[in-house]
Amino acid sequence: GAVVSQHPSRVICKSGTSVKIECRSLDFQATTMFWYRQFPKKSLMLMATSNEGSKATYEQGVEKDKFLINHASLTLSTLTVTSAHPEDSSFYICSATGVVNEKLFFGSGTQLSVL
Amino acid sequence: DAKTTQPPSMDCAEGRAANLPCNHSTISGNEYVYWYRQIHSQGPQYIIHGLKNNETNEMASLIITEDRKSSTLILPHATLRDTAVYYCIGASGGGADGLTFGKGTHLIIQP
Repeated sequence: GAVVSQHPSRVICKSGTSVKIECRSLDFQATTMFWYRQFPKKSLMLMATSNEGSKATYEQGVEKDKFLINHASLTLSTLTVTSAHPEDSSFYICSATGVVNEKLFFGSGTQLSVL
Repeated sequence: DAKTTQPPSMDCAEGRAANLPCNHSTISGNEYVYWYRQIHSQGPQYIIHGLKNNETNEMASLIITEDRKSSTLILPHATLRDTAVYYCIGASGGGADGLTFGKGTHLIIQP
């Protein structure tokens, strides 16, 4: 199956710093990428949808200035958590789908811990 | 995405078939039934999907009722590594609008 690579797998940062998470589709062109977050023992919640070359669409309640998404190419999307605070600590997961795919492929996730 | 209902947890003995039910009575005609699973601290893994017909792949079988209001995921010979949360999702377009995850079923394979 198609592979989506997410990096880093784990990051610890100080409050007030910014963190960038990368999501790459390794063997297909991802026309659309999605970013989810997941709190402990909870289900995944969709944060935003990004299409290559256009601005991301954010779900209700997700601050677009807080979570900056860039989808500059068909194989790369990045999520930047700006001025991170402890409440931003969570498991962030990207996913991608391509033109001919009938399914969504997920990265392995990034565990963000903000001290 | 269609609303789905799954039991919160299930146990299954290692080596036996695990049958995970899902109700999706409001699924629309163009929505597929997708199954994903998530092992602790990993991203979701695609298992199988179907529209009307039963499907089988190397991981599992998917049985969809004729009225499409429910389905069953079958893991034919469960192993300890199959312990995970299993999500049943009704969605169209290959998830092109993103997938809405419910609470899923926590399947625990007992040795």
